[in-house]
Amino acid sequence: KQEVTQIPAALSVPEGENLVLNCSFTDSAIYNLQWFRQDPGKGLTSLLLIQSSQREQTSGRLNASLDKSSGRSTLYIAASQPGDSATYLCAVRQGGSEKLVFGKGMKLTVNP
Amino acid sequence: DTAVSQTPKYLVTQMGNDKSIKCEQNLGHDTMYWYKQDSKKFLKIMFSYNNKELIINETVPNRFSPKSPDKAHLNLHINSLELGDSAVYFCASSQSGLAGTDTQYFGPGTRLTVL
Repeated sequence: KQEVTQIPAALSVPEGENLVLNCSFTDSAIYNLQWFRQDPGKGLTSLLLIQSSQREQTSGRLNASLDKSSGRSTLYIAASQPGDSATYLCAVRQGGSEKLVFGKGMKLTVNP
Repeated sequence: DTAVSQTPKYLVTQMGNDKSIKCEQNLGHDTMYWYKQDSKKFLKIMFSYNNKELIINETVPNRFSPKSPDKAHLNLHINSLELGDSAVYFCASSQSGLAGTDTQYFGPGTRLTVL
C-alpha cells in the first residue's frame, strides 16, 4: 500500500529564503508525482507534475525533482515571498491507476 | 471561466438527512473524482469516474452514491448523514491517456457540517 510522507508538517521562514520541501513515498512503482498548493478555505492548485521518466520540472521560482528509486521528491522554492504562504501537498499516482495518494501536506509561512 | 465548480460551497445539516453536492467541469476532461479532506486536513480519494463509468471506489460506505449523468458532471449524494461525514469534499477532473496531460484540477471544495 502506497504511503506518502511530508516532513516537517509546518515551516516558518523569513522572506527571501530558498526553501526545500520534502516528500517521500514507499512504493516506487509510480506513474507520476504532483505538487499542489492549498490556500486556507480554498481548493488545490496544481504546481508541477513530474512523470516517472523525468527527473525534474520547473515553473518560475519552483523546481521539483524526482528520485523514483529512492522514493523521494523535493520542491524547491527560490527567494520565498509572503504570498508563498500556503499548505503544500505532494501526491503520487500509482502505475495502472487513476488514483492519487496524498501526503498530509506541509504548512508554509513566509514572514515579511 | 474554465474550471471545476462545486455547489454548494457550504452545507450545514442535521444527522440523518440526505444531501447532494454537485460538481461540473468545463475543461473537456473525461475523468472526474471525489475526495474527502478530514479535520486533520488529510485528503483521500473516494470515487473516480471515467466517461461516466466508475473506475475507483475506495471502501466508502454505501450511504455515499456518486452519479455521473454525463462526463462533465459528477454529483455526490449522501444518505443518512452522520457526524463523521463532516469534512470538506473536493471534486477534481483530469484527462486520461497522454502522459503529461493528466494533471488533476480541483474545485473549491464543499464544507459539509453535520450537527
